[in-house]
Amino acid sequence: SAVISQKPSRDICQRGTSLTIQCQVDSQVTMMFWYRQQPGQSLTLIATANQGSEATYESGFVIDKFPISRPNLTFSTLTVSNMSPEDSSIYLCSVGSLYTGIKNTEAFFGQGTRLTVV
Amino acid sequence: DAKTTQPPSMDCAEGRAANLPCNHSTISGNEYVYWYRQIHSQGPQYIIHGLKNNETNEMASLIITEDRKSSTLILPHATLRDTAVYYCIVGYSGGGADGLTFGKGTHLIIQP
Repeated sequence: SAVISQKPSRDICQRGTSLTIQCQVDSQVTMMFWYRQQPGQSLTLIATANQGSEATYESGFVIDKFPISRPNLTFSTLTVSNMSPEDSSIYLCSVGSLYTGIKNTEAFFGQGTRLTVV
Repeated sequence: DAKTTQPPSMDCAEGRAANLPCNHSTISGNEYVYWYRQIHSQGPQYIIHGLKNNETNEMASLIITEDRKSSTLILPHATLRDTAVYYCIVGYSGGGADGLTFGKGTHLIIQP
């Protein structure tokens, strides 16, 4: 398994500002993902964080709004840019495929970052 | 869109078996059935997965029908800590190689 640390665990931000969320894993992983969970809703995949290249975004999510970095195999950041109250959600980091080359594996999730935009 | 259908909520008495159904009538031959759960204020947690055969681990059992169009997750002796939203997900990987498409899930409430 993998231990995932997300920072911050929660934040209250002013509209128009940006917040960067960090995700640190205790072991090397090939795959890292970012999800959003809006209040009372299920999780929605934002993007796959690719090490050494640009993230792959899902439909409805764009790089200008959610820039992602992945400088190595254990760390990634998600920035929520130019925030509005509609961005108030829980943002979760997920990892999978521990660096073993096995593709059909389960995902591990961080505890999430609870963001409130006022 | 999610390829599964689950009841929005279920109740179960503590100590009894909780049986959570899932319909996945459009599942492809190589797709697995995965179950995750999300306890309040936590990230989702993997429970179990299967392809064709029934599976059992320390957390639960998974029963998949012969035509693979539906499945049931069984928590054999539910406790209050099993209260959570349970997600049934079909896919070629369990989220480790590709992202997951979550449906609305079943909110299981264990009653004392």
